[in-house]
Amino acid sequence: KQEVTQIPAALSVPEGENLVLNCSFTDSAIYNLQWFRQDPGKGLTSLLLIQSSQREQTSGRLNASLDKSSGRSTLYIAASQPGDSATYLCAVPNAGNNRKLIWGLGTSLAVNP
Amino acid sequence: NAGVTQTPKFQVLKTGQSMTLQCAQDMNHEYMSWYRQDPGMGLRLIHYSVGAGITDQGEVPNGYNVSRSTTEDFPLRLLSAAPSQTSVYFCASSYSYKGDTEAFFGQGTRLTVV
Repeated sequence: KQEVTQIPAALSVPEGENLVLNCSFTDSAIYNLQWFRQDPGKGLTSLLLIQSSQREQTSGRLNASLDKSSGRSTLYIAASQPGDSATYLCAVPNAGNNRKLIWGLGTSLAVNP
Repeated sequence: NAGVTQTPKFQVLKTGQSMTLQCAQDMNHEYMSWYRQDPGMGLRLIHYSVGAGITDQGEVPNGYNVSRSTTEDFPLRLLSAAPSQTSVYFCASSYSYKGDTEAFFGQGTRLTVV
């Protein structure tokens, strides 16, 4: 059974730092991995989708990498800003039904001015 | 671009009341699903649909009904609300192409059952 773990659960950094959020999964047979952002009291916004054949994806200051063999993905945020404060979630499709998503519990990020 | 639209955004119900959470998408996606999000438990799948007229249960279906009469709409019905159903509910839709898929979410409905 696929399990997704995100470490750390919470992170507080000063503005301007580069930081890495981690996501690990137990079954490496994944179609893709998706990173989402959730602002307090708000919905989920898709940040990056990495296909199983890709090693990384970039969008602005965000870079997500995928290492299927080790069951890990990282989300790198460059030059963090207070506006990056949010909860970041990763999810992978269930192997038996690729449109069911298996979720991590998220990393709550606070970027302090 | 509307994407996935959920209504209402907030709702307070009394125990035993029923209600319907609405979800609509304008992306012509076949697949739609409902999740609930609770502190410390992450997102859990309630029900899902792979197309109009087809629905199936997820991890936590008890106390909820769904129907999918059109591609666009996927309402979630609470039959007799209980305090344990206090949660944030998210509707999602996704496409599938050559085995790959990407999910898009609504803004959520924050439900409190008293």
